[in-house]
Amino acid sequence: AQSVAQPEDQVNVAEGNPLTVKCTYSVSGNPYLFWYVQYPNRGLQFLLKYITGDNLVKGSYGFEAEFNKSQTSFHLKKPSALVSDSALYFCAVRDMSGAGNNRKLIWGLGTSLAVNP
Amino acid sequence: DADVTQTPRNRITKTGKRIMLECSQTKGHDRMYWYRQDPGLGLRLIYYSFDVKDINKGEISDGYSVSRQAQAKFSLSLESAIPNQTALYFCATNPLGRPSSYNSPLHFGNGTRLTVT
Repeated sequence: AQSVAQPEDQVNVAEGNPLTVKCTYSVSGNPYLFWYVQYPNRGLQFLLKYITGDNLVKGSYGFEAEFNKSQTSFHLKKPSALVSDSALYFCAVRDMSGAGNNRKLIWGLGTSLAVNP
Repeated sequence: DADVTQTPRNRITKTGKRIMLECSQTKGHDRMYWYRQDPGLGLRLIYYSFDVKDINKGEISDGYSVSRQAQAKFSLSLESAIPNQTALYFCATNPLGRPSSYNSPLHFGNGTRLTVT
């Protein structure tokens, strides 16, 4: 079955330290992978995506993510965390096997990132 | 101004009442979606529409209905609200066309917080 796992409900990191928010997935075909961020009282905002090509993708606000096909992972990273990065982060994957409407977007449950001053 | 606008931002209603949540967008996107967000359950798709005359059920459509009045407007109705429909509701859009809309990120509104008492 198609699924996305964000194994950590919460991640705590000190400001200035590197951060990682983990995402693993299970799909039968090639995946399109996305990261979104949700700040308090706001809708989700797109951060970055992996479709094809270079396994390391760069996105907004200094975030990047690495696609690892063998480990079926797409972890979100940032070299130096800011307090303003504190938010809820969602990983999503679209399984590109199957026809049209079967290519639904599957969401992880989210990881709350707290960056401490 | 927001590209995807949801009204109202907050709504408290009583069990059994019919209510409508509205979404309008200025992005010119063909595809529109309604999601609900619950703590610990992530995002779940209620309905989606790829065009004015196209309506599709998502994974949790029971108890909800939608109307796509125009390309820019997509309304969600709760015919008879119940307490377990208390949630944060999001409208989202993305474009149809080339390259595939499957790799186009979703654009979210800021949500409607609905409380059913």
